[in-house]
Amino acid sequence: NAGVTQTPKFQVLKTGQSMTLQCAQDMNHEYMSWYRQDPGMGLRLIHYSVGAGITDQGEVPNGYNVSRSTTEDFPLRLLSAAPSQTSVYFCASSLPPPSNYGYTFGSGTRLTVV
Amino acid sequence: QQQVKQSPQSLIVQKGGISIINCAYENTAFDYFPWYQQFPGKGPALLIAIRPDVSEKKEGRFTISFNKSAKQFSLHIMDSQPGDSATYFCAVKRENYGQNFVFGPGTRLSVLP
Repeated sequence: NAGVTQTPKFQVLKTGQSMTLQCAQDMNHEYMSWYRQDPGMGLRLIHYSVGAGITDQGEVPNGYNVSRSTTEDFPLRLLSAAPSQTSVYFCASSLPPPSNYGYTFGSGTRLTVV
Repeated sequence: QQQVKQSPQSLIVQKGGISIINCAYENTAFDYFPWYQQFPGKGPALLIAIRPDVSEKKEGRFTISFNKSAKQFSLHIMDSQPGDSATYFCAVKRENYGQNFVFGPGTRLSVLP
């Protein structure tokens, strides 16, 4: 089925470990974004990309890196995990601009940092 | 930074009742106002959206009412069903960050059978 695929669904990390959250979409969307969701805070933008090779920071980028080598993939890397990064992470994609078309979200990755 | 206020934080409605969730924003330079629905363990899904050239949009039991002068828009769920129990988020376009969205904090709706 067409959509946004995120892996893994669940992950437990120890403080200081690194990992990559994978995101892939098969809708040929140019826009892709990473959000984190914390209780009572809605969804906060971490990084976004307006096309292959172009990425930029969102409102909470510290501790995260992204790259966009293809239209389909937009991985999120945690450089050195901290307990404050315990959250649910959502990847989303859209035709440009997302404010005209809305986002399609993946099913999320629930990350716990101990 | 653009702020989006959403109320109520939680809502309990009897089956068949009307659920109303409100969203208020600060900036007037927006052209697309969506509501997202999220079930536990799932990602948000676009439910319904409105553009400011109309004051109301209806899709089945779901209606958006838009008040441009008050900078508010509301989601009305008519004949609420237990299957509507979910968290609802409003969103507005940002002025920065590539026209991404800023989301409200969410409203948890519970519809009692």
